Amino acid sequence: AQRVTQPEKLLSVFKGAPVELKCNYSYSGSPELFWYVQYSRQRLQLLLRHISRESIKGFTADLNKGETSFHLKKPFAQEEDSAMYYCALSSGSARQLTFGSGTQLTVLP
Amino acid sequence: ETGVTQSPTHLIKTRGQQVTLRCSSQSGHNTVSWYQQALGQGPQFIFQYYREEENGRGNFPPRFSGLQFPNYSSELNVNALELDDSALYLCASSLAGLAGKDTQYFGPGTRLTVL
Repeated sequence: AQRVTQPEKLLSVFKGAPVELKCNYSYSGSPELFWYVQYSRQRLQLLLRHISRESIKGFTADLNKGETSFHLKKPFAQEEDSAMYYCALSSGSARQLTFGSGTQLTVLP
Repeated sequence: ETGVTQSPTHLIKTRGQQVTLRCSSQSGHNTVSWYQQALGQGPQFIFQYYREEENGRGNFPPRFSGLQFPNYSSELNVNALELDDSALYLCASSLAGLAGKDTQYFGPGTRLTVL
């Protein structure tokens, strides 16, 4: 069965510092991975997906199949990046998402 | 473009009762997925509807059931409510069948409290 692990429930960094949110997965097939973000009082929204290989709001994530990881990185954190971040894996005929438990990122001024 | 909407926003029920939650998909989308998000946890997949039929199901008992209508809107029904059913219920719509275009877009959720 598939599983997504986000080891950090809380992460605080100072503005301008680099940030890395960790995500590890367990899946027997070829994974499709996503990062979703939820800003305060807003709905869950897609931040990026690994097949797009794009940078969104300065964030990037590289799929490392050897380490089964999909860590989210940004070189210079901004206060507006403060939010809850969820890593998710798509699987099955329904392409259902399996989510990690989330990491609450706080960027301090 | 209209986003995913859900109703009601909040709901309070007692153990043993039944509840129906509603979801209107984003315009142009043909698939609806439902997720349960308990406090402090990530969303957990309940089931998906495509072309008015269940297209996949997570590890939830049969008292969780659903419907999809011809306009692609959907309902989630939960019978014999239990205290552990208290959670945020999220609906997500997507366009199935096009690789790379099947991103799931989430609604704001319905907060269900079971007393």
